[in-house]
Amino acid sequence: DGGITQSPKYLFRKEGQNVTLSCEQNLNHDAMYWYRQDPGQGLRLIYYSQIVNDFQKGDIAEGYSVSREKKESFPLTVTSAQKNPTAFYLCANSIGGKGAEKLFFGSGTQLSVL
Amino acid sequence: KQEVTQIPAALSVPEGENLVLNCSFTDSAIYNLQWFRQDPRKGLTSLLLIQSSQREQTSGRLNASLDKSSGRSTLYIAASQPGDSATYLCAVKTYSGNTPLVFGKGTRLSVIA
Repeated sequence: DGGITQSPKYLFRKEGQNVTLSCEQNLNHDAMYWYRQDPGQGLRLIYYSQIVNDFQKGDIAEGYSVSREKKESFPLTVTSAQKNPTAFYLCANSIGGKGAEKLFFGSGTQLSVL
Repeated sequence: KQEVTQIPAALSVPEGENLVLNCSFTDSAIYNLQWFRQDPRKGLTSLLLIQSSQREQTSGRLNASLDKSSGRSTLYIAASQPGDSATYLCAVKTYSGNTPLVFGKGTRLSVIA
């Protein structure tokens, strides 16, 4: 795999609370991604980062924030502005290079609202 | 904007049957296409990656084909086994570099022993 560790596996959020999902990688890959998956749906892109200190919004960035202060880490904060946060969140990275740019995923975090 | 569609949404087959999963995309100017497998509440595992210049890729009992001009890809699974039961997702990369993939909603496959 791409050496990606997501934590926690399960997370609960109270109304009005911000929560942060962790994503760490140990293979020195440049690009990292956050996806959201709802039941019976495909993956939707929240944010992605191609290099340290740089990131771009995906299709559903509203109510989320990220940082990329280190190459190894790309945490995702689900803010209180995200009114429907219950979903399965997946972090991914890519080895990069021309041609075979496979995407590797972590094992995911299930976020639920209390 | 690129859109990816997978048909059928769910499929149930008896063990040993050969089967085909379909994926279509609206913008044929793709860089590559990947097929992934996802087990319930787990991350995705990359199965096959086809570059835009290729027609097919094979790995064991899996064969993926790509027809860019018609905007279609198929994943063929030979001699299906109960262990193949999972959701299979297709994803397309439209530009080179570290730009994101666009995913279909997946096909949920059940192989009955």
